Amino acid sequence: SQQGEEDPQALSIQEGENATMNCSYKTSINNLQWYRQNSGRGLVHLILIRSNEREKHSGRLRVTLDTSKKSSSLLITASRAADTASYFCATGNTGFQKLVFGTGTRLLVSP
Amino acid sequence: EAGVTQSPTHLIKTRGQQATLRCSPISGHTSVYWYQQALGLGLQFLLWYDEGEERNRGNFPPRFSGRQFPNYSSELNVNALELEDSALYLCASSSGQAGNSPLHFGNGTRLTVT
Repeated sequence: SQQGEEDPQALSIQEGENATMNCSYKTSINNLQWYRQNSGRGLVHLILIRSNEREKHSGRLRVTLDTSKKSSSLLITASRAADTASYFCATGNTGFQKLVFGTGTRLLVSP
Repeated sequence: EAGVTQSPTHLIKTRGQQATLRCSPISGHTSVYWYQQALGLGLQFLLWYDEGEERNRGNFPPRFSGRQFPNYSSELNVNALELEDSALYLCASSSGQAGNSPLHFGNGTRLTVT
């Protein structure tokens, strides 16, 4: 079964707008990671946030983590057409034995 | 630094046949992970190899198997192929334990079973 669930399943915005994707998970985690997947290709790691962190930035990306609500959000500011992709959150379980991925959010950024 | 490489890119098999997929991790990475991504679905964890040993296995039947070689490259074997095995198979490597370190993915092998 999937650990993380992303919301929304699909998001369509215009270039320059901000995109926010949410991830909810069910069990205790040590880390949460966000990945991007361009159509039919491998996933690219975007950012890792540890359970003792609340917010992390990387360029135009901002990730928040609320362990009390078991949720995370990914904000992409000033989006570009090149940001069009699927975005997945992934959680590491306490045994660190595998990374469990959600079903993803499909983001479409129109010029 | 070369990334994770997977071969072949595409593979077409008929039901009942066997498929072999290959993966070379990033140099220095000892852990290799296999995931299945069926159309429209998320990634399902298949297998984790580290230092030549199978460390963890997802909820897949025994006809999904693999191994890791001394040079840390890995093979995924799928026996008695079924139509529902059609998917993108992704390999990833890591310098540390999953959940504690980022995974570096290859571009996958698209397996089509007819």
